[in-house]
This record gives sequence, structure tokens and C-alpha cells, in this order.
Amino acid sequence: DTAVSQTPKYLVTQMGNDKSIKCEQNLGHDTMYWYKQDSKKFLKIMFSYNNKELIINETVPNRFSPKSPDKAHLNLHINSLELGDSAVYFCASSPSGRDHEQFFGPGTRLTVL
Amino acid sequence: GNSVTQMEGPVTLSEEAFLTINCTYTATGYPSLFWYVQYPGEGLQLLLKATKADDKGSNKGFEATYRKETTSFHLEKGSVQVSDSAVYFCALINYGQNFVFGPGTRLSVLP
Repeated sequence: DTAVSQTPKYLVTQMGNDKSIKCEQNLGHDTMYWYKQDSKKFLKIMFSYNNKELIINETVPNRFSPKSPDKAHLNLHINSLELGDSAVYFCASSPSGRDHEQFFGPGTRLTVL
Repeated sequence: GNSVTQMEGPVTLSEEAFLTINCTYTATGYPSLFWYVQYPGEGLQLLLKATKADDKGSNKGFEATYRKETTSFHLEKGSVQVSDSAVYFCALINYGQNFVFGPGTRLSVLP
């Protein structure tokens, strides 16, 4: 059973398009996250949701918007895609509490042409 | 704010060599510390963790000890294998705050 799943695994699209990446976790966790990993493997947190409330939002352009229909899902919508959005996007989840690890999805490689 | 610094890679070793990847952190209070591993084409997986000073985390032959006096959490393995080739991330979390990851260190183990 996959704990944190993402779709699609690969996404190739043109500049200016709007796209979505889906994430689902079956771990019963309270908090879900989206990270962006650049070509140098640096990880940047973009969003997290706790019980359907956005609790952090780092300096991410408002073209990016998270949508959480329920506690098990956190989708990422991206409008007006730009070349610099090309990266690998990871979804993660964790239970509440400061000592808990995050569980990561397999990643979605986004390429903007 | 909180931050994590790791030794720059890539690190290239021969099979059965001893591995150390340095990690130091800056944080207030008593964060929990983690090492994650990312194998090629995959997401991050927890390798080990330590939640208080002097704790030692260990898994798959890897070890790291939470040293508050030196604010360090260095990763070690006595004898690396080709299958250990991956990117290793040191990370911390402080109560009520975000997870903070280091920049990652790429390890290549040659047969």
C-alpha cells in the first residue's frame, strides 16, 4: 500500500499553461506539505495544511495555490506556468507533534518548455 | 531562525570505506534532528532521528549522535556499499515551527 502518492509522476507542459498535481495520503496524518526541489537538490517548503487550514506559506508566488478537499488530499494548482517552475515537487505528510517525521511521496517532475 | 548546514558534496568513496557527513544546526531550544536519504528518482525517506541531546539514532548501519554542545548531528557509517549512493539530507524541527532541511550531500560509492 502506498502511503503518500502523487500524480502525475512526470508533467511536461508549455509556458503559460495551468496545471495541477494531486497528492493523497492514507496514513491518517493531520498535516500535509508541498516542497519544491530544484536541480541542485535544494528543498524548499511551499505550503502546509493542518486540518484543512493553511498554516504556512513561504514566499511562493500566488500563481501557486494549494487545495485540500479533505484531510487525506492536498492538491497543488499552478497558473501561468513559467520556465523557472521546472523542478521536482514533493508532497509529504506527518502526524501532529514536533517529533514526528515527514513521509514523502515519490515526486512529480515538472518540465516547462 | 532555524537553519541546517551540511558539508558540501559530492562525496566519492570506495566500497567499504568509512563515511562521515557533517551536519550542524542553528536553533533555539531543543529541536528534534533527522537524517533523510533520497535514492535516485525517489522521494525522501527517513534514515534515522534523535529527539534529545546525547541520543543516538541508528539504522541500516548508519549512526548519528545529537550533540547539543557542538550543535551537530554528523552521519557516520563504518563500511559503505554501492547501494548507499544517494543524496543525504540533515533536517530539524522545532516545536510549532517548520521542518528545516539542509542543502543535501550527494554520496557516490564506487565498487
